[in-house]
Amino acid sequence: KAGVTQTPRYLIKTRGQQVTLSCSPISGHRSVSWYQQTPGQGLQFLFEYFSETQRNKGNFPGRFSGRQFSNSRSEMNVSTLELGDSALYLCASSPGQGTGEQYFGPGTRLTVT
Amino acid sequence: AQSVTQLGSHVSVSEGALVLLRCNYSSSVPPYLFWYVQYPNQGLQLLLKYTTGATLVKGINGFEAEFKKSETSFHLTKPSAHMSDAAEYFCAVSMLSGGSYIPTFGRGTSLIVHP
Repeated sequence: KAGVTQTPRYLIKTRGQQVTLSCSPISGHRSVSWYQQTPGQGLQFLFEYFSETQRNKGNFPGRFSGRQFSNSRSEMNVSTLELGDSALYLCASSPGQGTGEQYFGPGTRLTVT
Repeated sequence: AQSVTQLGSHVSVSEGALVLLRCNYSSSVPPYLFWYVQYPNQGLQLLLKYTTGATLVKGINGFEAEFKKSETSFHLTKPSAHMSDAAEYFCAVSMLSGGSYIPTFGRGTSLIVHP
């Protein structure tokens, strides 16, 4: 099976702009989770979608949002970008009913200038 | 709330030496436990997991970990380090939340392997 894919891999944006990141899960996986990884905060959970519904949400401001489509592909959006949003954004998929085992994509490196 | 503590942000070993990466968790109920590895500019890859049953679990690349409930620990070991093992290692614990199991990750341990 093909792994989790994320596009784009690298992105440079300016403060105040918005950005949309895309994730395609492993075929058959219905759960998609998003994480933010920074040197200072480590891996932080953003949200999880299952069958097009947000099932869990981390402690991030409302500028961070996401959605999932009927084919399980997911997008996350960050509006009004801040310098502190510079990070590696990781998408992970799982079958949805299990132990929390995650299969990660390579990530999108977002730089906000 | 659950938490994961990885002792040592950096661990340095010589090639061929034993690798020991420590992980302790706090949880009121038996959790599911994982170790992931991350190479530069890549996502995380599952090394091994403990769900139920045998407390000593074997993973890929010669790594193994032992779940010790009394010590709330899940340390990762490898008998002989290889240069290719140099990477960032993350311990994670997951518990049920909102109908699904969401993992909480430790801060990570960078493994440095010297020739």
